[in-house]
Amino acid sequence: DIQMTQSPSSVSASVGDRVTITCRASQGISSWVAWYQKKPGMAPKFLIYAASNLQSGVPSRFSGGGSGTDFTLTISSLQAEDFATYYCQQANSFPWTFGQGTKVEIK
Amino acid sequence: QVQLQESGPGLVKPSETLSLTCAVSGGSISSYSWSWIRQPPEKGLEWIGYISNSGSTNYSPSLKSRTTISVDTSRNQFSLRVTSVTAADTAVYYCARMLLGRQGYYGLDVWGQGTTVTVSS
Repeated sequence: DIQMTQSPSSVSASVGDRVTITCRASQGISSWVAWYQKKPGMAPKFLIYAASNLQSGVPSRFSGGGSGTDFTLTISSLQAEDFATYYCQQANSFPWTFGQGTKVEIK
Repeated sequence: QVQLQESGPGLVKPSETLSLTCAVSGGSISSYSWSWIRQPPEKGLEWIGYISNSGSTNYSPSLKSRTTISVDTSRNQFSLRVTSVTAADTAVYYCARMLLGRQGYYGLDVWGQGTTVTVSS
C-alpha cells in the first residue's frame, strides 16, 4: 500500500494568514492526489484533484501543487470557515489511502 | 444534483454482520463508480472499497476477507456488508461517488452525510 504522510499534524493560524500543508507519498504517484476538508459532524468536502485542479465551487484561495512524492495544499488567506481538518488522498492505485490529517486551528 | 444517503443499524453486536445501504438520488447509479469510507472515533479516514459501474470490486486488504460491496440498480442504491465485526469496526461510515477522469479516478467528489455504527453487546 502507498503511505501518505502529512505535516504538520496541526497548525495554529489567524484569519488572513497563509497556510501550507504538505503531503508525502511513500512512492511516486505522479499527480494522483486529492485533498479534502473535514469539519466535525459533516461529510468531507472535495477540494482539489489531480494535485492542482480546483473542484467546482471551491474558493480560489485554495490551491494545490506538487508531483511525484511531494504535494502541498495552500490556503492563501485563511477565512473563519476554513478552520477544519484537511486530508490528502492518493488515487494512483488501489487501495486508496489517506494522510493522517492536518488540523487547522484558530490561533 | 446527485445526493447520497446512508442507512442501516446504528448498533451491531460483536461477531455479527454490519449492513449499510447508500441511496442515490438525482442521478443514475449505473453511470458512476462508488466507494465506502469510514472514520473511527478520533481517527482519520479509511477507504474500505469500491464497486465500478460494470460491477467489479476492489477492497482494502485489511478488510477484504470480511467485506462485500454490491449494487441494486433497480433501487438505485449500493450496499456494504462487513462480517464478524469487532469494536474496531466502530466508526462513522460514508458512501461516496468516484470522480472519473480520462486516465483514471481522481477522488471522491460527492459524499453522503455519514452514519454512525457502534459495535457493542
